[in-house]
Amino acid sequence: SQQGEEDPQALSIQEGENATMNCSYKTSINNLQWYRQNSGRGLVHLILIRSNEREKHSGRLRVTLDTSKKSSSLLITASRAADTASYFCATERGGGSEKLVFGKGTKLTVNP
Amino acid sequence: DAGVIQSPRHEVTEMGQEVTLRCKPISGHNSLFWYRQTMMRGLELLIYFNNNVPIDDSGMPEDRFSAKMPNASFSTLKIQPSEPRDSAVYFCASSLLTTGSGELFFGEGSRLTVL
Repeated sequence: SQQGEEDPQALSIQEGENATMNCSYKTSINNLQWYRQNSGRGLVHLILIRSNEREKHSGRLRVTLDTSKKSSSLLITASRAADTASYFCATERGGGSEKLVFGKGTKLTVNP
Repeated sequence: DAGVIQSPRHEVTEMGQEVTLRCKPISGHNSLFWYRQTMMRGLELLIYFNNNVPIDDSGMPEDRFSAKMPNASFSTLKIQPSEPRDSAVYFCASSLLTTGSGELFFGEGSRLTVL
């Protein structure tokens, strides 16, 4: 069953703008990860945030986690055409499970 | 570093035929995952192995699907007999997992079309 649900399903912006994608989940988690997938390619890990963290940065990426609301957001600042891809959140549940459960993703298009 | 290697990249077959997908994980990784991706259902975890042992195969759709990991550097996902609804992109991913955390490294996928 799907754990993470991304919102919006699709997002189109202009180069230089910021892009924000949201992820909601249902059960308690150990950590939440964001992945990127270019068309026709495999997924690439972007960032991991643990359940006891609230915010994390990596380059132009900023991830927040609100465990009380069971939600996370991924912000890409100063977007570039090369950021065009699908972005997925993935949750790893508590209780020793190693399984990552992915949402259906947000398809981001950055127009030059 | 070669990354996770999957073969074949594309496979077109007819209904009823056997399909074997192959995966070579990153050397030193101790966990391997098979996912299936479709437009309708997104990414579904089929099975995962830890130290070559299947840990959870609850995502395997039915008995037509089987997966093996005979050693730390090779895994196969077999579909026999294949059906049109099996058409999807199948991803293999590996990880060096300790309990409760770890990023996955994905291969480029095997796109299966069953006619």
